[in-house]
Formats: sequence, structure tokens, C-alpha cells
Amino acid sequence: QSVLTQPPSVSAAPGQKVTISCSGSSSNIGNNYVSWYQQLPGTAPKLLIYENNKRPSGIPDRFSGSKSGTSATLGITGLQTGDEADYYCGTWDGSLSTFGGGTKLTVL
Amino acid sequence: QVQLQESGPGLVKPSQTLSLTCTVSGVSITSGSYYWSWIRQPAGKGLEWIGRSDTSGSTNYNPALKSRVTISVDTSKNQFSLNLSSVTAADTAVYYCAGVYFYDAYGDYLEYFQYWGQGTLVTVSS
Repeated sequence: QSVLTQPPSVSAAPGQKVTISCSGSSSNIGNNYVSWYQQLPGTAPKLLIYENNKRPSGIPDRFSGSKSGTSATLGITGLQTGDEADYYCGTWDGSLSTFGGGTKLTVL
Repeated sequence: QVQLQESGPGLVKPSQTLSLTCTVSGVSITSGSYYWSWIRQPAGKGLEWIGRSDTSGSTNYNPALKSRVTISVDTSKNQFSLNLSSVTAADTAVYYCAGVYFYDAYGDYLEYFQYWGQGTLVTVSS
């Protein structure tokens, strides 16, 4: 049971927009930066968003992040079939790093 | 570019110690901006943080695993290692090593898992 709560799954059609939520508390999201990771099937996770809303070099601007209070949100616009993956939020929780339970994105 | 590569036995017997090494290339492991971390993922499940070390030997571990985990860094080889003792079938998972960028100053703490190894499957079975 993760301390960061994500919906198990989301889905949308190609070209549409989807958001994935990550809910925590004051000990984690409320007082720390959030990062997001994309895990394509059979591969290692990859950094998608860091410091709440920054994108590493090479990550398209279709991906965005935001944080408000004790929750964070990952947004993906212009969905592509290649975006089908598991997405994880992550942050520091006082004495340990922690990840959300993951959200499976299906592009219908 | 920065690359991390896990190595070690893919099969460990119950009650024995799981030992993995992560070889880092493209960046010095002594870079002051990184922690070196292990994460695992059981089949079909999410990511579980195991722990981290910096190059001074300062470590943090997941409380759920703390009594069984040791993470160490070998700066001469640009490697870091994981030892997990007294393993059971519940420790069967893909194990990832990662380089974690961090910034800690003026009450502001930032971290993110910037670099990941490809992962290695470790099965605990007799």
C-alpha cells in the first residue's frame, strides 16, 4: 500500500488529453517536489517530469506536471499509441523516497 | 551518455543473501550531486524503493527492509552494491539501480531518479 495514491488505470482516445492524479500528505507531496516516471512495457522507468513541472531534455511538451497542496497531476495531450505505459509519481517522505502505486494508461 | 548496468545472480535460495552490483559509466560516482539507489518491482506490481547511499557512506533505507539491507559504494570501480539478507520468495522481483539527483540547501530538498539501469530479475527459489 503506497502512501501516494494514484488511480489504477486511465484511458483515452488518440489525440485526446488525459490527466493522472497523485495524492499524498503534508509529509510527502505537501513539502517536497514531485517527479513522474514513464515505464513502457518490459522496460525500465524513465524520468518524465521533475521538480513538479520541469521536463528533461528530449521529453516533448505534450507532457506536463503540476502540484497543488498535497496533490500532483501529470497531463498528457495529443495522446499517441506509444504513450501506453505505466506512470508513477515519486517524492521524498521525510526519511525515504516513495512512489505511487502506478497508473496504467490505455490509448484506445 | 550516462549508463547504469546491474549484475549478479538471477537465482538465490531462500534464507541466503541477494547480492547485486551496479556499474556506472559516463559520470563519476563521486559526483556530489547524486545518491545511488536501488528500487525493485515484483512482477505486475509497482516500484518499491529499497534505499540509497552517497559516496561518503551515508545511507538511508526503506524501514520495511532496513534490518536486511546494506548498500555500499566502491568509488575505485565506479560501482555500488546491494546486499539483501535472509531472502524469501517475497523478494522475487526485477531490481533496478538508479542515480538520484538531489539538491539540499536552505531548507529546500529536491530529488529525482534521473538515471536508471535496465533492471535484472532475481528469483528466490530452492
